[in-house]
Amino acid sequence: DIQMTQSPSTLSASVGDTVTITCRASQSISSWLAWYQQTPGKAPKLLIYKASTLEDGVPSRFSGSGSGTEFTLTITALQPADFATYYCQQYDSNPLTFGGGTKVEIK
Amino acid sequence: EVQLAESGGGLVQPGESLRLSCEASGFSFSNYWMHWVRQAPGKGLVWVARIESDGSGPIYADSVQGRFTISRDNAKKTLYLQMNSLRAEDTAVYYCARGLPYYSFFAYWGQGTLVSLSS
Repeated sequence: DIQMTQSPSTLSASVGDTVTITCRASQSISSWLAWYQQTPGKAPKLLIYKASTLEDGVPSRFSGSGSGTEFTLTITALQPADFATYYCQQYDSNPLTFGGGTKVEIK
Repeated sequence: EVQLAESGGGLVQPGESLRLSCEASGFSFSNYWMHWVRQAPGKGLVWVARIESDGSGPIYADSVQGRFTISRDNAKKTLYLQMNSLRAEDTAVYYCARGLPYYSFFAYWGQGTLVSLSS
């Protein structure tokens, strides 16, 4: 199974900050990576797929990059709605696997 | 508008069975692969199972293989998860999610249904 490791697990930031979350795969997954945002009590929301393609309707302050085994999600000019937990997910091979999550909290 | 609505969760005892349903609307259900993903309380997301558009090729996470069965009824636009021999570690919110053929990321999710195992 491909292991997905996110860092940090928690990130404290202020409105207006730029934050970066890292996701590492235990083996190459090409660009078959998605990012999701989840707020408490809600289903995850797709932000990015194929490592860097922004899902329709997602604000452009979200961006993704990387390929192979190392990926990043960057949020530029953090907004109040962005305080949430973020997950990466590989879909290169089965079983599909998610990272452990990164909670972005208010400093 | 794409909608996925899970039902069937509840409180059960270890060893018992439960069947979850996920009713789809707003898209051509029979064209999409469907998945179940679960999330234990306070924990991360874990993929559970997938079924292809025509009901073929079901695959499972090792943790549920042999106990859970994913199925679908395209005429009823409904996805199912039959869960047998439930264990305490199966306690979670179960989400159904829509995937594309061969590209299993999830643009659409249901609201989730909670399965709780009593001790």
